Amino acid sequence: EAGVAQSPRYKIIEKRQSVAFWCNPISGHATLYWYQQILGQGPKLLIQFQNNGVVDDSQLPKDRFSAERLKGVDSTLKIQPAKLEDSAVYLCASTQGVVETQYFGPGTRLLVL
Amino acid sequence: GENVEQHPSTLSVQEGDSAVIKCTYSDSASNYFPWYKQELGKRPQLIIDIRSNVGEKKDQRIAVTLNKTAKHFSLHITETQPEDSAVYFCAARVNSGGYQKVTFGIGTKLQVIP
Repeated sequence: EAGVAQSPRYKIIEKRQSVAFWCNPISGHATLYWYQQILGQGPKLLIQFQNNGVVDDSQLPKDRFSAERLKGVDSTLKIQPAKLEDSAVYLCASTQGVVETQYFGPGTRLLVL
Repeated sequence: GENVEQHPSTLSVQEGDSAVIKCTYSDSASNYFPWYKQELGKRPQLIIDIRSNVGEKKDQRIAVTLNKTAKHFSLHITETQPEDSAVYFCAARVNSGGYQKVTFGIGTKLQVIP
């Protein structure tokens, strides 16, 4: 089966600019996660969707980050405006149900200058 | 919320030796503990997992043990090979408000020296 797809793979922007990331989960996977992975650290959950509803966004910096999953399939994560400390890899993951194994996408590596 | 601590942060072993990575968790309701391997520039990939009703699980050279009383679990890699070199993450999953919440450790960078 096809894996989790993400784009772009790399992005370089200047601080205060905006950026958007896209994720296409494995077909049929209802649960979608966005993680932020800063160099040398483990993935930190930003937001979790169940179909097109948000079930956890407690660690999402809502003043600058937003995410949506309008049709319960693809998802976009946006940062506006970006800060230097947003430089990280943004990983998308999906599971078929709430108790299944997570499958990760290749990630988007963001560098904010 | 859940807190997962992982150590050591770096580990160097000679090829053929064993490697052990340990994690502790704080929420006694955690019921699932996966381990991921992440090679440089690649996505995390699940290598083994264990559920709270099991004390030990083995898959070839990899094993995981769980001590629910002490709230800690460990990854054991035997007969290490250079291709085992990577960053390993533990995680703990707990039911929270009707959905599953996963918390990751900070990772252990394993270097296997040929």
